[in-house]
Amino acid sequence: AQSVTQLDSQVPVFEEAPVELRCNYSSSVSVYLFWYVQYPNQGLQLLLKYLSGSTLVESINGFEAEFNKSQTSFHLRKPSVHISDTAEYFCAMTKAAGNKLTFGGGTRVLVKP
Amino acid sequence: KAGVTQTPRYLIKTRGQQVTLSCSPISGHRSVSWYQQTPGQGLQFLFEYFSETQRNKGNFPGRFSGRQFSNSRSEMNVSTLELGDSALYLCASSLTDSPYYEQYFGPGTRLTVT
Repeated sequence: AQSVTQLDSQVPVFEEAPVELRCNYSSSVSVYLFWYVQYPNQGLQLLLKYLSGSTLVESINGFEAEFNKSQTSFHLRKPSVHISDTAEYFCAMTKAAGNKLTFGGGTRVLVKP
Repeated sequence: KAGVTQTPRYLIKTRGQQVTLSCSPISGHRSVSWYQQTPGQGLQFLFEYFSETQRNKGNFPGRFSGRQFSNSRSEMNVSTLELGDSALYLCASSLTDSPYYEQYFGPGTRLTVT
């Protein structure tokens, strides 16, 4: 069975400090990996995705994630966070066919001034 | 381009009643998926529809059902509501059923069962 584990439920971080959100997955087949962000009272927005090719993927707002097949991980990083990055972040995966996403439990990031 | 629309945004129902939630995908999108979000269970997949056909179903009781119309709009129905059905129900649409195309999520319908 497929599963996604986010190792930290909450991550407090000071503004302009770096942050890393950890995500591990379990699957017997090849998967595609995603990071979504959810701001309060809103739906989910795609941050970045790994489908194939380069194992380092980047988003337009400074986040990056690295796919590590041997460690079955897809950790999300940002070198310098802003107050506006306060949100809940979800790691997710899907198989080759279909849009069924399996989500991790989420990590709440609270950026403090 | 308008985003994914979900109606209603908020709903309060009583145990035992039934409820229908609606999702209008982005124009041209043919795939619609539904998710349930609760503090205890997190985000769980309910169903996926593509061109009016259910392609995937999550591990939910038969009280949860859905359908997709020819214009790609989708509805989900929950019958005999239970307190545990209180949740944020999210709908996502995509051009096709391939993960190479981004899924766009709506703002959700918050259902409270009393």
